[in-house]
Amino acid sequence: DAGVIQSPRHEVTEMGQEVTLRCKPISGHNSLFWYRQTMMRGLELLIYFNNNVPIDDSGMPEDRFSAKMPNASFSTLKIQPSEPRDSAVYFCASSFGGGRQRALHFGNGTRLTVT
Amino acid sequence: GIQVEQSPPDLILQEGANSTLRCNFSDSVNNLQWFHQNPWGQLINLFYIPSGTKQNGRLSATTVATERYSLLYISSSQTTDSGVYFCAVARGQAGTALIFGKGTTLSVSS
Repeated sequence: DAGVIQSPRHEVTEMGQEVTLRCKPISGHNSLFWYRQTMMRGLELLIYFNNNVPIDDSGMPEDRFSAKMPNASFSTLKIQPSEPRDSAVYFCASSFGGGRQRALHFGNGTRLTVT
Repeated sequence: GIQVEQSPPDLILQEGANSTLRCNFSDSVNNLQWFHQNPWGQLINLFYIPSGTKQNGRLSATTVATERYSLLYISSSQTTDSGVYFCAVARGQAGTALIFGKGTTLSVSS
């Protein structure tokens, strides 16, 4: 299997610009998660989906952040407008909800720099 | 929410040494996983271990759910073991998001 695929790997943008991060989960996984990692806050959950339905978005920092999962094989995380404090590594992860197959698998992340 | 505490925060070892990393959590959980983040930033799943003991090569993990802790053992450490080890937990239905601890940073020197 190809694993969780995220794009782009790196994104450098100016404050105020729109940023879109993309994720393709592992085929057959029915749960998808977006996490953000910073030195100050560690790994924090932003939002997650089960069967393409958003379950908990309480971790989304502000209305500037939005996420969609239009189908089982694609999700996006959008920041509009971006701010320097959004600079972080954004990870997408997926899992299958049943029993021992609940192991969470991460993509390689998108390193976002907002100047 | 559930609190996850990992110890020690930092660990420095010589190649060949053994180590034990600990994860304490504040409430009952039915999902506990260990991850390794390598120096390139990749997060690799090591174990799904809500209870009991598992072994994979030089690594093993034990979770005592009733006492709310889990241990990760690394034997005969190698330089490639360096990185950050995270414990993550969740409670509830399948598909509930994991909450991560702050990690243990391991440095193994040759």
